Amino acid sequence: EIVLTQAPGTLSLSPGERATLSCRASQTVSNNYLAWYQQKPGQAPRLLIYGASSRALGIPDRFSGSGSGTDFTLTISRLEPEDFALYYCHQYGSSPRTFGQGTKVEIK
Amino acid sequence: QITLKESGPTLVKPTQTLTLTCTFSGFSLTTNAGGVGWIRQPPGKALEWLALMYWNDDKRYRPSLKNRLTLNKATSENQVVLTMTNMDPVDTATYYCAHLSPLHHVDFWGQGTLVTVSS
Repeated sequence: EIVLTQAPGTLSLSPGERATLSCRASQTVSNNYLAWYQQKPGQAPRLLIYGASSRALGIPDRFSGSGSGTDFTLTISRLEPEDFALYYCHQYGSSPRTFGQGTKVEIK
Repeated sequence: QITLKESGPTLVKPTQTLTLTCTFSGFSLTTNAGGVGWIRQPPGKALEWLALMYWNDDKRYRPSLKNRLTLNKATSENQVVLTMTNMDPVDTATYYCAHLSPLHHVDFWGQGTLVTVSS
């Protein structure tokens, strides 16, 4: 099973700042099948990025994904008030699929 | 437009069997158009992948839960049923069903249903 480790656990930033979230895999993620999801309290996760770097439909271009192999990054170029939430990375290249433990982006 | 919705009991007793139904629209499991997955999230904790079923009836289960999980299509073509046996309080979680895109990633989620396991 591929273990995904997200860092940091919590990111305290102000609106307008840049957020950089890391996701490291214990083994190579096949085909770079790595996705990022945003989750707000009481809501289901929402797809942001798939295939490590492809933005999902309707996702603002301030969200970008990068990386390959075992190291992946989600970048939010300028934080908007609605971006303060929990973010999960997820690998779907190997069975069983796995999620990271999440990074909380909170208002500083 | 793809939508999914989970339904089932909100409270089950320890050792009982949980049956959850995912009712979906906007896609079909009879054509090469992805699949359906189940994910759960204990209160205040991370997401945990449980199982998936592809359009061709290929099924995959979380190894640690494989002996307790079963996925089946319901008689209705737009429903998938997840069965989980021998429920325990640690299985208390919000259970989500989700659509797997033809590119294999989860792109749409149901709203989730909270299942509490308690006597």
